Amino acid sequence: GEDVEQSLFLSVREGDSSVINCTYTDSSSTYLYWYKQEPGAGLQLLTYIFSNMDMKQDQRLTVLLNKKDKHLSLRIADTQTGDSAIYFCAESIGWGYNKLIFGAGTRLAVHP
Amino acid sequence: DGGITQSPKYLFRKEGQNVTLSCEQNLNHDAMYWYRQDPGQGLRLIYYSQIVNDFQKGDIAEGYSVSREKKESFPLTVTSAQKNPTAFYLCASGHTNYGYTFGSGTRLTVV
Repeated sequence: GEDVEQSLFLSVREGDSSVINCTYTDSSSTYLYWYKQEPGAGLQLLTYIFSNMDMKQDQRLTVLLNKKDKHLSLRIADTQTGDSAIYFCAESIGWGYNKLIFGAGTRLAVHP
Repeated sequence: DGGITQSPKYLFRKEGQNVTLSCEQNLNHDAMYWYRQDPGQGLRLIYYSQIVNDFQKGDIAEGYSVSREKKESFPLTVTSAQKNPTAFYLCASGHTNYGYTFGSGTRLTVV
């Protein structure tokens, strides 16, 4: 079946690195995504990784994919207070206009 | 600027009333989606449309209806049959290969 799981809460100190983890169950996932949601707003696409890649880096963001363990992580370097938000992991199954399956979201709290 | 616009931002519904949430995009995307978000839960798919005049039920379609008469527009009606409609509703468009673009959401409250 299709399922995406994330831990619900993460607290980090400003300037430290944050690592948000996600596991998924469907081995036929083609793309995996990280979205950010600030309070009362829609979701903003942060980055995505194709299933045949192990890693993708984009400025302060590093995505690691372990396809064998069906584990995805998002590392935010030098975390700032503006990074406080809910982060959603999502997977797409198959090709084309298929739906995305979202995790429940991880609330990241950044404190001084 | 290209984007996806949802309106209204806040909506109040009385018991037994139907309400319609608007979603408009100027990104020239074929596919559009409606998600529902409840606290502590992920997004759940209500309906999606891959092309004009065609749409499919998602995981929680009961009590909702949609139409897709124009490529740019995908309105969602929350009917009186939806027994627990209070939630945050998100519209999105795009292709799964590149990620979706989301609107800013409509918060619906039953009064």
